[in-house]
Amino acid sequence: DSGVTQTPKHLITATGQRVTLRCSPRSGDLSVYWYQQSLDQGLQFLIQYYNGEERAKGNILERFSAQQFPDLHSELNLSSLELGDSALYFCASSVKGTSGGAPDTQYFGPGTRLTVL
Amino acid sequence: AQKVTQAQTEISVVEKEDVTLDCVYETRDTTYYLFWYKQPPSGELVFLIRRNSFDEQNEISGRYSWNFQKSTSSFNFTITASQVVDSAVYFCALSEAFNNNDMRFGAGTRLTVKP
Repeated sequence: DSGVTQTPKHLITATGQRVTLRCSPRSGDLSVYWYQQSLDQGLQFLIQYYNGEERAKGNILERFSAQQFPDLHSELNLSSLELGDSALYFCASSVKGTSGGAPDTQYFGPGTRLTVL
Repeated sequence: AQKVTQAQTEISVVEKEDVTLDCVYETRDTTYYLFWYKQPPSGELVFLIRRNSFDEQNEISGRYSWNFQKSTSSFNFTITASQVVDSAVYFCALSEAFNNNDMRFGAGTRLTVKP
């Protein structure tokens, strides 16, 4: 158990809908990262937040957004869902996640499996 | 940009065999960090090891060992005396020091250990 929690574990929804995935980082970690794992794209970095502020963006679609709250939990919002958004969405956390210098080790949550029908 | 290649898509071995998972990386940075993660059938990603580019010493942790060779840009992972519980997808990942928010993963190698 990494200490990172994600809810829900599974989510089934229809095209065009909007969903929110939730992540609580390990105690003491300030950075949260979101990843998407799909069969065709593999594991892709989406976005990182550090202490409430967006720190880095990866291959995140405009239909997706995220935020990190004062209690450091994070939410990933996916809207106008398409069939291709079906994937396993991981949240990871690390202590700091600075830009430049040694990266933190990222510890991953159990993931949320999203199925879009 | 950095890139990680895990050429072995799937490997199947019989219990107690040794198995090596290959990882080849590309980066322009002289300072970078390499990682291995395990994804068992339950789905979570489990951190196994982290290694920086200045430390080429091989590492051993129980039945697991890692061979880092800068000359061939490889960071291979060997499981000795494999067990059924080692069945999982294993990912190699790379993070550059000055772009360390973007960790790039390889496509993963699915290891099946048969009893």
